[in-house]
Amino acid sequence: AQSVTQLGSHVSVSEGALVLLRCNYSSSVPPYLFWYVQYPNQGLQLLLKYTSAATLVKGINGFEAEFKKSETSFHLTKPSAHMSDAAEYFCAVSVGGGSQGNLIFGKGTKLSVKP
Amino acid sequence: NAGVTQTPKFQVLKTGQSMTLQCAQDMNHEYMSWYRQDPGMGLRLIHYSVGAGITDQGEVPNGYNVSRSTTEDFPLRLLSAAPSQTSVYFCASSRDRSSYEQYFGPGTRLTVT
Repeated sequence: AQSVTQLGSHVSVSEGALVLLRCNYSSSVPPYLFWYVQYPNQGLQLLLKYTSAATLVKGINGFEAEFKKSETSFHLTKPSAHMSDAAEYFCAVSVGGGSQGNLIFGKGTKLSVKP
Repeated sequence: NAGVTQTPKFQVLKTGQSMTLQCAQDMNHEYMSWYRQDPGMGLRLIHYSVGAGITDQGEVPNGYNVSRSTTEDFPLRLLSAAPSQTSVYFCASSRDRSSYEQYFGPGTRLTVT
């Protein structure tokens, strides 16, 4: 069965510092992986997705993530944090492989950015 | 395009009352789903639909009903509200079952007293 673990429910960084949000997955089939962002009182917005093409995936707002099969990880990074990056971030894995479409979400990591 | 819309934005119910959360999309998406979001729990799938007339259960379906009579609409019904259903509810849609990029509505914050 597929599952997602996000390490750290809260991460705090200074403006301009590296952002690293960790996600590990478990999947019995080649996974499709996603990062979503949720700003306060809003719905979720897709940041980036891995669907078995390039292992380094670039997303919106300067974020990227690298799929590492050997580590079953899909960590999200951004070289320099901006105040506007403060939000909650969710990692998700598809269920059942390529034909299902349902997503399993991690519990989320809330990112705070200090001036 | 309005995208995915949800009504109401906020709702307070008493235990035992019923209500319907509305969800509509104008993107002609085949796949629609309902999630609930609880603090520290992430999003959990309640029900989903792969097209008009077809629905199926997700991870936490108990206490909720859905139907899909049109491509555009996917209402979620609470038959007899319980305090455990206090949550934020999100509707999402995607082009089809395999496109994966899901578009989320703004959410409905429901409190059951």
